[in-house]
Amino acid sequence: DAKTTQPPSMDCAEGRAANLPCNHSTISGNEYVYWYRQIHSQGPQYIIHGLKNNETNEMASLIITEDRKSSTLILPHATLRDTAVYYCIRLKYGNKLVFGAGTILRVKS
Amino acid sequence: DTAVSQTPKYLVTQMGNDKSIKCEQNLGHDTMYWYKQDSKKFLKIMFSYNNKELIINETVPNRFSPKSPDKAHLNLHINSLELGDSAVYFCASSQLPDSSSGNTIYFGEGSWLTVV
Repeated sequence: DAKTTQPPSMDCAEGRAANLPCNHSTISGNEYVYWYRQIHSQGPQYIIHGLKNNETNEMASLIITEDRKSSTLILPHATLRDTAVYYCIRLKYGNKLVFGAGTILRVKS
Repeated sequence: DTAVSQTPKYLVTQMGNDKSIKCEQNLGHDTMYWYKQDSKKFLKIMFSYNNKELIINETVPNRFSPKSPDKAHLNLHINSLELGDSAVYFCASSQLPDSSSGNTIYFGEGSWLTVV
């Protein structure tokens, strides 16, 4: 029971921003929102995480709504290599990552 | 250097056999994990160890036995393999087991197990 809701798939044009939404309306106050991705035939890769504030790193930006019930992962300039399954995860106590079905992002030229 | 490395990457074996998958991390992390990704692509945690001690043991058959000889290694031994064990097994590691610290988990590249 991942308790996050993501669209099953999305398409994005190469070079454009990819905005991946995630709903986590029952998130607890001390639960982080993590984003991982899994490129075909590879292990999951950490992207970014946040608690309350918006976050940015070299890979992406994470926008968390003020009520923390949803968030959006932004890949500012998507490339073909960003095609992957993107997982939005609430991190439970004891570091037990619970993966849902994720969003299949297809970046097209 | 690969941070989390698993061997073998591919393994095809017959039902009833016993096999092991080895995992090593060179990140200096204290916590290691095994995850399973089945044919439906869902990733589920199986075990986690912190400083060689078992801290998470999900509902996994007793045929699966993790072994941690030291903090840098967590091997997965599987007895009496069944067809349903066919999956991709991912090893992972993190510095701490505590989620409140905003801990990050690093995954290996996976071991593809096929039981025939």
